[in-house]
Amino acid sequence: AQKITQTQPGMFVQEKEAVTLDCTYDTSDQSYGLFWYKQPSSGEMIFLIYQGSYDEQNATEGRYSLNFQKARKSANLVISASQLGDSAMYFCAMREGGTGANNLFFGTGTRLTVIP
Amino acid sequence: EAGVAQSPRYKIIEKRQSVAFWCNPISGHATLYWYQQILGQGPKLLIQFQNNGVVDDSQLPKDRFSAERLKGVDSTLKIQPAKLEDSAVYLCASRRTEGVGEQFFGPGTRLTVL
Repeated sequence: AQKITQTQPGMFVQEKEAVTLDCTYDTSDQSYGLFWYKQPSSGEMIFLIYQGSYDEQNATEGRYSLNFQKARKSANLVISASQLGDSAMYFCAMREGGTGANNLFFGTGTRLTVIP
Repeated sequence: EAGVAQSPRYKIIEKRQSVAFWCNPISGHATLYWYQQILGQGPKLLIQFQNNGVVDDSQLPKDRFSAERLKGVDSTLKIQPAKLEDSAVYLCASRRTEGVGEQFFGPGTRLTVL
């Protein structure tokens, strides 16, 4: 079974609007972490936001927020006030185990296009 | 703070040739990763080093891929001989001991095998 599922191959959003990118995960671990990365056309993966399995509050980082629904095993990324520079691939990833664990499992990504 | 450095950025080779990629992680990061990212997919871990020791190489095709991290700093990934299906972007990442486990990635090497 896939550990990370991103069901939206591509999304479009109007500039200045908000957009939600979906991510569901599968793990039997009680301790895990969820990450979102942005990959522009230049190729570098840029870390955006993190949510720990024991965190009670949804993570926020500037215009990025993570809608964490533990019972549904979903960790959707919300980007508010979209900008043209947000056009990129977005990957959801999971670390199984505590913060000492090392490996990340990535989804297949969602290509976001911001329309002027 | 300098980011993860990789070279070359692009490489085109014929099948059955050999190729090597180089990575220099962020200073002080003990853990280093090599990922393979095939077009349209997410990165897949090939090998993970902790200092100069291998932690996980279960996904590395060892008949043709090899990697080393001498002195626990920079690392080299080699493919010999290359196959058409090795065409991909090879990403290097590093992480610090502290923190939540976020990995910092280099710009990648885009390999095309003809």
